[in-house]
Amino acid sequence: EVQLVESGGGLVQPGRSLRLSCTASGFTFGDYAMSWFRQAPGKGLEWVGFIRSKAYGGTTEYAASVKGRFTISRDDSKSIAYLQMNSLKTEDTAVYYCTRDGGILRDWGQGTLVTVSS
Amino acid sequence: AIQLTQSPSSLSASVGDRVTITCRASQGISSALAWYQQKPGKAPKLLIYDASSLESGVPSRFSGSGSGTDFTLTISSLQPEDFATYYCQQFNSYPLLTFGGGTKVEIK
Repeated sequence: EVQLVESGGGLVQPGRSLRLSCTASGFTFGDYAMSWFRQAPGKGLEWVGFIRSKAYGGTTEYAASVKGRFTISRDDSKSIAYLQMNSLKTEDTAVYYCTRDGGILRDWGQGTLVTVSS
Repeated sequence: AIQLTQSPSSLSASVGDRVTITCRASQGISSALAWYQQKPGKAPKLLIYDASSLESGVPSRFSGSGSGTDFTLTISSLQPEDFATYYCQQFNSYPLLTFGGGTKVEIK
């Protein structure tokens, strides 16, 4: 059974940084791309970014709203994907989800809440 | 970026009703569309992929149709557990994905 568990959320001040983790199990993590999404309180879903598997270069793509501030990385030896969030803004407040692969989204984590507030 | 417009944004319906939600893409996306159901405090759940393929384990009262720019999610007979918010999502521009704004289905 595929399991994805996000962690690392919390309350952070504007301008500060936070790193989220997505710990995976139930599949060969290194074979898959991973994506991050977010959902602001009471709002819809937004794609944040994506990291390819090492077989496809391990390269990343980002939404315009986070490009230059957020960085996705992966540690295949630990089956973890990371979302490093810098220069956080109040509008980054959201529940952040990770998913396996990036097209048809069958497997989601439970989400972790990030609150950016002074 | 491809925009998806869902309508209506909310609707009220009774158990047993037939419910239809539409999703329009700003440009043609072939059949690269999925539908998700989300309940409060939970992650989205995949219902339909490739516009009309029913995900394994999803009740057959859910169906999807369309291609190009116009798509529809239909619930043939609304059940109590179907009250939720529904989102369409395109993956034609994978890995850059976009979602519709959501349709909240409420109890009449």
